[in-house]
Amino acid sequence: GAVVSQHPSRVICKSGTSVKIECRSLDFQATTMFWYRQFPKQSLMLMATSNEGSKATYEQGVEKDKFLINHASLTLSTLTVTSAHPEDSSFYICSARRGQSYNSPLHFGNGTRLTVT
Amino acid sequence: DAKTTQPNSMESNEEEPVHLPCNHSTISGTDYIHWYRQLPSQGPEYVIHGLTSNVNNRMASLAIAEDRKSSTLILHRATLRDAAVYYCILRDRAQGGSEKLVFGKGTKLTVNP
Repeated sequence: GAVVSQHPSRVICKSGTSVKIECRSLDFQATTMFWYRQFPKQSLMLMATSNEGSKATYEQGVEKDKFLINHASLTLSTLTVTSAHPEDSSFYICSARRGQSYNSPLHFGNGTRLTVT
Repeated sequence: DAKTTQPNSMESNEEEPVHLPCNHSTISGTDYIHWYRQLPSQGPEYVIHGLTSNVNNRMASLAIAEDRKSSTLILHRATLRDAAVYYCILRDRAQGGSEKLVFGKGTKLTVNP
């Protein structure tokens, strides 16, 4: 069964509003989670690394004031898309590492499809 | 990050083996080779990973060249549910290396009935 849960799976919002996406590790603790974005027919692009209890690390070109990440507990990270615009419409996916080994595989959520009208 | 090169697409018939190649000529000694796949409208799914020796699990086998500059993911009997985009990714295991996975374009596998 799923080990990383993402919610909501789909969301439609109006331009200018903010949307919060949740990513939960279901039966393990994750000190680090990753947020990706995927446009149609393209590969996943890493947006940021979410660290429990500290600030997220953003990839180059990703606006941290627009994509707010909060990793308040060992099982929950949230991504808030602030003042969303149609160009933010995309498939957002989170992932987390399960297991103590550095090379433990990452588990991914099933993604959130955001449509901004 | 060291780069990988994969064919854009491949086709297979159901119940036949599939060999998905990946070139990584600039691989470093501390890079693990990871494979993930992504079914349509889903998040990626871990398939297998290895360092030097060939690896087998219930999903697939991973054959790694002796010089580690290439590898092949083997699906022994393709099913329609194996139709997905397969990503070959290098992951630095060195201390201080990043955990993050950087995805390339992958190989889109089509399985014909």
